[in-house]
Amino acid sequence: DAGITQSPRHKVTETGTPVTLRCHQTENHRYMYWYRQDPGHGLRLIHYSYGVKDTDKGEVSDGYSVSRSKTEDFLLTLESATSSQTSVYFCAISESVVVGGAYGYTFGSGTRLTVV
Amino acid sequence: TQLLEQSPQFLSIQEGENLTVYCNSSSVFSSLQWYRQEPGEGPVLLVTVVTGGEVKKLKRLTFQFGDARKDSSLHITAAQPGDTGLYLCAGEGGAGSYQLTFGKGTKLSVIP
Repeated sequence: DAGITQSPRHKVTETGTPVTLRCHQTENHRYMYWYRQDPGHGLRLIHYSYGVKDTDKGEVSDGYSVSRSKTEDFLLTLESATSSQTSVYFCAISESVVVGGAYGYTFGSGTRLTVV
Repeated sequence: TQLLEQSPQFLSIQEGENLTVYCNSSSVFSSLQWYRQEPGEGPVLLVTVVTGGEVKKLKRLTFQFGDARKDSSLHITAAQPGDTGLYLCAGEGGAGSYQLTFGKGTKLSVIP
């Protein structure tokens, strides 16, 4: 009954290759987010989307691009993968902005990406 | 960037003990959320606190938001092995920013 799914769950890729991660939601939520989680750094925002074709950069956006052509899908692309992009990537959705704490984020199960 | 500092970073306790996890910042947040993350899974929302001084209870978990809305604590009574996980606090940004800023987390292990 997961309202948000990420694919693939695991991927190993070579340095310099492009990689695309997919996030798919069935909740019809407006807001979608891509985070990476690394030991010692916690969760850091890469990019987010506030509607179809409306995206913006987060804290660690260099080397990443995103696209959202449909409400339900948010794609994260590593243009040319580097070893520093080895990480666990999480997608999250929210119904609305978290103004006053009314809405929390729902996270996917993550994609473990290894760049060799 | 608004920083959230969580302490302790690691905590290992025996089943039945009580514990408190802290989340501190020099910034004021409109609201603060607590998540729990288990290995191989994404974080799951536990609670949102909005008002300074607010206290919320979720079974054996008690969450408090500081009066100045700069800090929060999570207290677990009679910890159980099922409480094991990574606890993350996340603050909603100040004026002009609705995104969440996450702390690095407290990794809790409850030993049977």
